[in-house]
Amino acid sequence: GDSVTQMEGPVTLSEEAFLTINCTYTATGYPSLFWYVQYPGEGLQLLLKATKADDKGSNKGFEATYRKETTSFHLEKGSVQVSDSAVYFCALHSNYQLIWGAGTKLIIKP
Amino acid sequence: NAGVTQTPKFQVLKTGQSMTLQCAQDMNHEYMSWYRQDPGMGLRLIHYSVGAGITDQGEVPNGYNVSRSTTEDFPLRLLSAAPSQTSVYFCASRVGRNNQPQHFGDGTRLSIL
Repeated sequence: GDSVTQMEGPVTLSEEAFLTINCTYTATGYPSLFWYVQYPGEGLQLLLKATKADDKGSNKGFEATYRKETTSFHLEKGSVQVSDSAVYFCALHSNYQLIWGAGTKLIIKP
Repeated sequence: NAGVTQTPKFQVLKTGQSMTLQCAQDMNHEYMSWYRQDPGMGLRLIHYSVGAGITDQGEVPNGYNVSRSTTEDFPLRLLSAAPSQTSVYFCASRVGRNNQPQHFGDGTRLSIL
């Protein structure tokens, strides 16, 4: 079946460092891909999405490109801030369901 | 903007008790779902609904019931609570198309003693 694999966390970086969180997927067809973010004590919020190959989603300085050839959707940010500390989830749409990665906790130290 | 509203935010139950987690959305979304979130396991789908009167099972449906009598409401019932159901529960909704994002409630933290 369809699945999403994310790099394990926690990922600890210093402020202003470059961030990459890896996400790869297995799916039939051409799913839509998402990154969601969960700040401490809150629900999940959509961060960005891409609906077809080579699409780039972007929001709040984060970017991810839908790479069909490598079945990947890695999340990147050029300069992270303490306020980016959260748990990040990669997900894909399959039929009526979202298939979720396990989440990657990001800790940014000042 | 209310969005997706879940109640209660916290609940402690004893083993064997029953309860209903409430979820309501005011965006006229067709699709609603319930997830549980456990450490290191991401989100797992419990039940979902593609419209009023229609529900289906997700990945981990055992021990839970749902109904969808209106577009707005999608309650989750625990029939006989077990410690394994200790988790954080999230309700989500979206419009019908697959490539639209889901909107989440703030979650219900449930502990079963």
